[in-house]
Amino acid sequence: QVQLVQSGAEVKKPGASVKVSCKASGYTFTSYYMHWVRQAPGQGLEWMGIINPSGGSTSYAQKFQGRVTMTRDTSTSTVYMELSSLRSEDTAVYYCARAKYSNDAFDIWGQGTMVTVSS
Amino acid sequence: QSVLTQPPSVSAAPGQKVTISCSGSSSNIGNNYVSWYQQLPGTAPKLLIYENNKRPSGIPDRFSGSKSGTSTTLGITGLQTGDEADYYCGTWDSSLSAYVFGTGTKVTVL
Repeated sequence: QVQLVQSGAEVKKPGASVKVSCKASGYTFTSYYMHWVRQAPGQGLEWMGIINPSGGSTSYAQKFQGRVTMTRDTSTSTVYMELSSLRSEDTAVYYCARAKYSNDAFDIWGQGTMVTVSS
Repeated sequence: QSVLTQPPSVSAAPGQKVTISCSGSSSNIGNNYVSWYQQLPGTAPKLLIYENNKRPSGIPDRFSGSKSGTSTTLGITGLQTGDEADYYCGTWDSSLSAYVFGTGTKVTVL
């Protein structure tokens, strides 16, 4: 079945970086875009950016420009989201989500990865 | 802060109907398809409605979506206790070149 499986929870210190993975299975990896969305505790959903697994092109939300990098490995059908210069406000659950087109609905979501930033 | 506005909460008794509004602008809802997502407590969001009013396979017809101008509405009929969740609208914003979500609405079954 189609699924996105994300890496496990992380605890990081302020100023550090975190890299979250999202492994796709059950479909042609390069035929769907992948978005990253985060949700701080008790808060709503926040879009971070998108990667096209086919060519690797990316587009990031202005808020995260310069701090986020999204990459992919087609040999393992995995996308990665790295966020640097972490601060306490980055404590959140991070989700990957698949879409057929860049502006399309997110039809499949990963289970989420909790990232805690604490000294 | 989100560019799409939803009411913080709505509630109704089992079997009743609720509607959730989502208001935006011409750069987002007005000129792009809208989706709705359901997030049950402690779980990842799930696609409920896409392209304004279409339901993915497996979503019951108790859930419906509509759009008019720069606003969209999610309707839930025959409310069940299992429908207690947070609901988010979402769409592409052509001016921001970003996907935007609504502020979220908590549905409570009384």
